Amino acid sequence: QQQVKQSPQSLIVQKGGISIINCAYENTAFDYFPWYQQFPGKGPALLIAIRPDVSEKKEGRFTISFNKSAKQFSLHIMDSQPGDSATYFCAASMESGTYKYIFGTGTRLKVLA
Amino acid sequence: EAGVAQSPRYKIIEKRQSVAFWCNPISGHATLYWYQQILGQGPKLLIQFQNNGVVDDSQLPKDRFSAERLKGVDSTLKIQPAKLEDSAVYLCASSFGTGSSSYEQYFGPGTRLTVT
Repeated sequence: QQQVKQSPQSLIVQKGGISIINCAYENTAFDYFPWYQQFPGKGPALLIAIRPDVSEKKEGRFTISFNKSAKQFSLHIMDSQPGDSATYFCAASMESGTYKYIFGTGTRLKVLA
Repeated sequence: EAGVAQSPRYKIIEKRQSVAFWCNPISGHATLYWYQQILGQGPKLLIQFQNNGVVDDSQLPKDRFSAERLKGVDSTLKIQPAKLEDSAVYLCASSFGTGSSSYEQYFGPGTRLTVT
């Protein structure tokens, strides 16, 4: 019940295309869903996050779509750029769980120039 | 604002040896986390501190791993003795620790440990 399932494992997108990464969870107590971006040799960096009381959040080219009934959320990267090539992790957290993160397994994104 | 600092960045040791990692969180952050990230996987929480008290250490292999945060600021994670399966990146993260800001965690660059 504490798992967060992420797909796909890897993704190749042409420059200017849309990258979509999906995550699913089981525990309905989760109340915070962040996405992290990690470049090789670096720590994960917070990209964007959403609470379950909204269905979508947009920041620049990055959008989170949230489906509470399906217990799924996804990251959309519009106009993907080669500089977006990185590993992306979704995570879930809850206040009653001391705010600790349960991470997905990661998606390695490559954007072709 | 300075980020989360970690040292060393890389460490290679032989199995059964001991190793220690250091973390300095963002100034003013009360909560500190240590994660283990095995190659190709997402980070897994090892231990969480609130100030200098342990909040969650349920996934810390306590027979070989230990961690402390004596003055509620810096933290040290130790492995003794190390096993081959401990090869991973050890990430430190911190958060403000109160209210809604408790959700946002900021990660350091990590320490890559190789056990041979």
